[in-house]
Amino acid sequence: GAVVSQHPSWVICKSGTSVKIECRSLDFQATTMFWYRQFPKQSLMLMATSNEGSKATYEQGVEKDKFLINHASLTLSTLTVTSAHPEDSSFYICSARDYQGAIYNEQFFGPGTRLTVL
Amino acid sequence: KQEVTQIPAALSVPEGENLVLNCSFTDSAIYNLQWFRQDPGKGLTSLLLIQSSQREQTSGRLNASLDKSSGRSTLYIAASQPGDSATYLCAVRYNTDKLIFGTGTRLQVFP
Repeated sequence: GAVVSQHPSWVICKSGTSVKIECRSLDFQATTMFWYRQFPKQSLMLMATSNEGSKATYEQGVEKDKFLINHASLTLSTLTVTSAHPEDSSFYICSARDYQGAIYNEQFFGPGTRLTVL
Repeated sequence: KQEVTQIPAALSVPEGENLVLNCSFTDSAIYNLQWFRQDPGKGLTSLLLIQSSQREQTSGRLNASLDKSSGRSTLYIAASQPGDSATYLCAVRYNTDKLIFGTGTRLQVFP
């Protein structure tokens, strides 16, 4: 149980285009999903927290107009990188928290999406 | 500022050795601490989660301990194998939804 998927697993796009990444909880309902970014050989940095049916909360320094987050259902959150540039190339990982608030409120992580902007 | 640091940054050992990976955090008022494994280009696999009220957790060859007062956690890997080669991340959760990740330890176990 507690499986989180991401699609696509990798994407290459041209500079200036927009890219959408999906994060799905497959076997549980997630009121809260999290988006992280990881640059090569660095750790994960939280970008934003997404709550179903409400606006996402962005971390300091993350442009909300560039990284659009939509959490329209209890099993799906999307991250859209708008007008992507080479510096946005990174590994994007989502996580989801069980709706029932599993005893320890553990976050379950997706497999990640590798974005390369040419 | 709440920070999480891991030492060493990289480790290369022969198969069969027992290993200790270290994680330290600046603010001891944690909610829980979690150890993850990350293979190159992949997502995170949760290994062990320790609640603030617990001292240790064990799973197979892995044992994680927690000392809140000193702001430290260790991950002990017994009888290391080449398949253990990966990056190990610790993450601390305070009384919010946020996980603060450490800098990671890249482990290589050679035959």
